[in-house]
Amino acid sequence: QKEVEQDPGPLSVPEGAIVSLNCTYSNSAFQYFMWYRQYSRKGPELLMYTYSSGNKEDGRFTAQVDKSSKYISLFIRDSQPSDSATYLCAMSFNDYKLSFGAGTTVTVRA
Amino acid sequence: GAVVSQHPSRVICKSGTSVKIECRSLDFQATTMFWYRQFPKQSLMLMATSNEGSKATYEQGVEKDKFLINHASLTLSTLTVTSAHPEDSSFYICSATRRTSGGRDQFFGPGTRLTVL
Repeated sequence: QKEVEQDPGPLSVPEGAIVSLNCTYSNSAFQYFMWYRQYSRKGPELLMYTYSSGNKEDGRFTAQVDKSSKYISLFIRDSQPSDSATYLCAMSFNDYKLSFGAGTTVTVRA
Repeated sequence: GAVVSQHPSRVICKSGTSVKIECRSLDFQATTMFWYRQFPKQSLMLMATSNEGSKATYEQGVEKDKFLINHASLTLSTLTVTSAHPEDSSFYICSATRRTSGGRDQFFGPGTRLTVL
């Protein structure tokens, strides 16, 4: 079993739709949860960073963490074609090391 | 913002040669830099953790003698792939953590595409 499981996608949505992305994990010691966006042949860019359970909102992006279920989500409202990318979830203990999900490729159709 | 650069962005080499990849934090001091590799449609796999002035810590299964890491300053880390073979072809990405950051945020470089013929 992988440490971090992520819905493989690919996901295709019309412009303006809500994009819903999820990851599950097996290790309850993870405390920091992140979502990265990666465009083709580029490095990942941090989108959201949360600590422990709860919700965090930043503009059109909302991150949710449910530690009891070992489940995290990212929602993108009013999706735009420029949101088309691969989204990676990542998690960390206290020592800076990140464990990544495999990534979900999202296409927002104009 | 926090900018991390990598050089070169793309390299093609013959089997058996060595390739050096540079990772620089341009506008901040990085206490720690990380090296990842990413195969097509797969996630980033951590190869090693590099702290300035000390030896790198390698993940299980990563050959230290094949992937040489040097972190000579707070703004520069290098990864040298020695005696590269076609199976080493991959996308190599570095990341850097800010010295003054209290969180666990990392800033990633744009990656280096290595193709070994």
